[in-house]
Amino acid sequence: EIVMTQSPATLSVSPGERATLSCRASQSVSSNLAWYQQKPGQAPRLLIYGASTRATGIPARFSGSGSGTEFTLTISSLQSEDFAVYYCQQYNSWPRTFGQGTKLEIK
Amino acid sequence: EVQLVESGGGLVQPGGSLRLSCAASEFTFSSYWMHWVRQAPGKGLVWVSRINSDGSSTNYADSVKGRFTISRDNAKNTLYLQMNSLRAEDTAVYYCAREVREAARPGSFDYWGQGTLVTVSS
Repeated sequence: EIVMTQSPATLSVSPGERATLSCRASQSVSSNLAWYQQKPGQAPRLLIYGASTRATGIPARFSGSGSGTEFTLTISSLQSEDFAVYYCQQYNSWPRTFGQGTKLEIK
Repeated sequence: EVQLVESGGGLVQPGGSLRLSCAASEFTFSSYWMHWVRQAPGKGLVWVSRINSDGSSTNYADSVKGRFTISRDNAKNTLYLQMNSLRAEDTAVYYCAREVREAARPGSFDYWGQGTLVTVSS
């Protein structure tokens, strides 16, 4: 099983600033990596797939990068609606695995 | 717009059974692989199971293998999860999710239902 490790567990950032979230895979997942956003009481929402492609309707301030084992989600200028929990997920092999999440909170 | 609506959750005693349903609409259900993902209270997302588009192939997480069965009825546009021998650690919100696959390559989960809560307790 591929273990996905996200860092940091909690990130405190001020609105308007940049946020950088990291995700590391225990073995290569190529570019088969997605990022999801989840707000309290809501289902996850797909943000990024293929490590760097924004899903339909996702604002350009969200960007993803990386391949192999190291991945990054960057939010260029945080808006109030961006404060949430973010999960990475690999879909390169079975079982599909998620990171433990990074909580992005208002500083 | 694509819709996935789960139902069937509730309170069940340890050792009991429950069947979850996920009703799909506004897309060609029979063309998509489907998944169940769960989230224990205050915890992260955990993949549970998947089924291919015609129901001929399935995968399970080790934690549910032999106890849970995923199935689908493409005529009814509905995904199911039969859960037997339930344990306290199965307590979670269960989401169904659609996998988007391009040219038969593995894909991410582009649509999710709102989830249904399963509580296993005596």
